[in-house]
Amino acid sequence: QQQVKQSPQSLIVQKGGISIINCAYENTAFDYFPWYQQFPGKGPALLIAIRPDVSEKKEGRFTISFNKSAKQFSLHIMDSQPGDSATYFCAAVLETSGSRLTFGEGTQLTVNP
Amino acid sequence: DTAVSQTPKYLVTQMGNDKSIKCEQNLGHDTMYWYKQDSKKFLKIMFSYNNKELIINETVPNRFSPKSPDKAHLNLHINSLELGDSAVYFCASSTSSGLVDTQYFGPGTRLTVL
Repeated sequence: QQQVKQSPQSLIVQKGGISIINCAYENTAFDYFPWYQQFPGKGPALLIAIRPDVSEKKEGRFTISFNKSAKQFSLHIMDSQPGDSATYFCAAVLETSGSRLTFGEGTQLTVNP
Repeated sequence: DTAVSQTPKYLVTQMGNDKSIKCEQNLGHDTMYWYKQDSKKFLKIMFSYNNKELIINETVPNRFSPKSPDKAHLNLHINSLELGDSAVYFCASSTSSGLVDTQYFGPGTRLTVL
């Protein structure tokens, strides 16, 4: 059973546009929600993360919005650039589980110039 | 300077063979992980070691055996390889400071079983 569901599977955005990726989780005990960025041929790398006691976190052009009651969180990429083209994974962590990352299915983002 | 390194980067082998993937981290972390990424890019944890002790062991066939000779190394040995083992395997590491810490991933090893 997939504990973290991610959508869309793929996303095409024009340069300068806003990219939005959504995730929903089932286990209310999750207490840390990171987003990872993966370029082709590379390993995933942490992009930004949030804890459930905060509704929004912004780092540069990247923002996480978190809705605890709906058990949903999303990544917004403002002023999307071709260099942002990558696969994005949301994840959820239960701190008592040994920091195990439970990943969403991934979103392939393409930003056209 | 490479933080988490894996060897080999590519591994092509026949069904039934035994192979190993090596992982080393120079970040001073005490927790290391193995993840499997399938053809649909889905990432799933396989194992986790903390200070050479196994702490996470997902439902993985016992043909897969991790080995941690020291805190900086976590190797993955796979016996009797099957077609379904073809995937990209990622090693990762993190600190265990009591709070969730960033996991740093290696570049991956693409395993192809023919």
